[in-house]
Amino acid sequence: GESVGLHLPTLSVQEGDNSIINCAYSNSASDYFIWYKQESGKGPQFIIDIRSNMDKRQGQRVTVLLNKTVKHLSLQIAATQPGDSAVYFCAENPGNQFYFGTGTSLTVIP
Amino acid sequence: NAGVTQTPKFRILKIGQSMTLQCTQDMNHNYMYWYRQDPGMGLKLIYYSVGAGITDKGEVPNGYNVSRSTTEDFPLRLELAAPSQTSVYFCASSQRETQYFGPGTRLLVL
Repeated sequence: GESVGLHLPTLSVQEGDNSIINCAYSNSASDYFIWYKQESGKGPQFIIDIRSNMDKRQGQRVTVLLNKTVKHLSLQIAATQPGDSAVYFCAENPGNQFYFGTGTSLTVIP
Repeated sequence: NAGVTQTPKFRILKIGQSMTLQCTQDMNHNYMYWYRQDPGMGLKLIYYSVGAGITDKGEVPNGYNVSRSTTEDFPLRLELAAPSQTSVYFCASSQRETQYFGPGTRLLVL
């Protein structure tokens, strides 16, 4: 099966600081990647996506970086807020199926 | 739009019982998915469907069945519940790559 892993299972940041969540993927055929946010007791919520022909994509307060050479992507959250506390998953899509990582739990300290 | 709805929210089953997890979407999406999420883990794809009348196995299909008779509905069937099927089940739909998730069904098999 696919292997999508995260370097850090937990991350604590001070409110207002920037957060960086990392993800490694294994399938070089993956051409599409998504970051999801999952709050406690809820389903995953789409944050941002990126295709393999891009290195960087920015959204509102979030940026995704893709390094295809080392099969790594990261999610950067600017000016982290308490509402950003959640589990963040990366997912890769080499075809019809998505493969999810195990998630990083982000805690924002007020 | 209600988006993706799932019922029930929570269920306790005895070993060997059967049940159907319901999933409905009102976004006219062609693609629908069933995932399971074990504690502290990412999502694993059980089954997916690219349109009415078409279903395919995902990573972990054993012990489950699905049907897709309409665009809106994608029920997941457990025929002989086992403790290993204790999990949170998420249904999702998409028109292209971005998946929209339901709130989940928490299943406990004792």
